[in-house]
Amino acid sequence: EVQLVESGGGLVKPGGSLRLSCAASGFTFSNAWMSWVRQAPGKGLEWVGRIKSKTDGGATDYAAPVKGRFTISRDDSKTTLSLQMNSLKTEDTAVYYCRVAAAGSIDYWGQGTLVTVSS
Amino acid sequence: DIQMTQSPSSLSASVGDRVTITCQASQDISIFLNWFQQKPGKAPKLLIYDASNLKTGVPSRFSGSGSGTDFTFSISSLQPEDIATYYCQQYDNLLLITFGQGTRLEIK
Repeated sequence: EVQLVESGGGLVKPGGSLRLSCAASGFTFSNAWMSWVRQAPGKGLEWVGRIKSKTDGGATDYAAPVKGRFTISRDDSKTTLSLQMNSLKTEDTAVYYCRVAAAGSIDYWGQGTLVTVSS
Repeated sequence: DIQMTQSPSSLSASVGDRVTITCQASQDISIFLNWFQQKPGKAPKLLIYDASNLKTGVPSRFSGSGSGTDFTFSISSLQPEDIATYYCQQYDNLLLITFGQGTRLEIK
């Protein structure tokens, strides 16, 4: 059974930093392209970014609002995905989901972790 | 970046009605489109992939169609448990992923 479990959310002041983690199991993590998706309170889904598998080059891509502030990384030995968030803004307040998707109908999401950016 | 324009933003319908949601891409995305259902407090659930393929286990009243820039999602006979917000999402391994704005579906 595929499981994605996010952790690390919480309250942080504007300008601060936070690191989210996603513990993955039930699939071959090292072969997977992993992504983060967020949802601000009462708003729609927003793709944050992704990291390719190392065999596909391991490159990262980011949505414009977070580019240069957020960094996605992976530890294949620990089957863990991370999201380092720096220079946080109030508009980064959201539930952050870890997601794995592949060709066809393969699509799994974690339960989400809430990040609140407020003074 | 590819923009996804989803409409309507909200929809009220009666049980048994046919419901249709549209999604338009700002450029050709072939069939690289998913449809998701999200209920309050839950993660999104994939219903339709590759524009028209029903994920295993999803009721057959859900369907999708389209290619290129214009896509449609339908529920043939609305059920009370279908109350949710629905999102389209384009995906292309060479491009950044984007979601539509969402359609909030309510029972009339």
